[in-house]
Amino acid sequence: EVHLVESGGGLVQPGGSLRLSCSASGFTFSTYAMHWVRQAPGKGLEFVSAITNDGGMTYYADSVKGRFTISRDNSKNTLFLQMSSLKSEDTAMYYCVKERTSCYISWGQGTLVTVSS
Amino acid sequence: DIQMTQSPSSLSASVGDRVTITCRASQTISSYLNWYQQKPGEAPKVLIYSASSLQSGVPSRFSGSGSGTDFTLTINSLQPEDFATYYCQQTNGNPYTFGQGTKVEIE
Repeated sequence: EVHLVESGGGLVQPGGSLRLSCSASGFTFSTYAMHWVRQAPGKGLEFVSAITNDGGMTYYADSVKGRFTISRDNSKNTLFLQMSSLKSEDTAMYYCVKERTSCYISWGQGTLVTVSS
Repeated sequence: DIQMTQSPSSLSASVGDRVTITCRASQTISSYLNWYQQKPGEAPKVLIYSASSLQSGVPSRFSGSGSGTDFTLTINSLQPEDFATYYCQQTNGNPYTFGQGTKVEIE
């Protein structure tokens, strides 16, 4: 069974940084592209970032480009999202998502990031 | 970026009703269209992928149709557990984008 467990969320001041992690199990992590998707309180779903299975290519939403960095460690089955220069509008639940054939087939339970002074 | 527009934004329906939600893409996306269901406090889960393929384990009362720019999610005989928010998503090009969601509420 696929398990995706996010961690690293919390309360951070505007301008601060956080590093999210996603520990994956139950599948061959190194063969799947992975994504981060966020959802602000009471709002819809928003793509944040994606990385190919080998880490060779990355993609970002315009809203986070230059501030967030996605990476992965296939030897440790872990996905990361380094977030810097955080803004209040980055406040959201952040989900780690496994992509299979252009579909978000598995989701973690999410980790909450709150940016506030 | 490809914009996805869902309608309606919300609807009220009764158990047993047939419900239809539409999704329109700002440019053609072939059949790269997925539908997700999200209940309060839970992560979304995929219902339909590639416009019309039913994800394993999803009840057959859910169905999807369409191609190009116009797509539909239909729920036949709405059940109590179907009251949730539904999102469409295009995966034809990066970045993948979602519709704004349709909340299905009890009438």
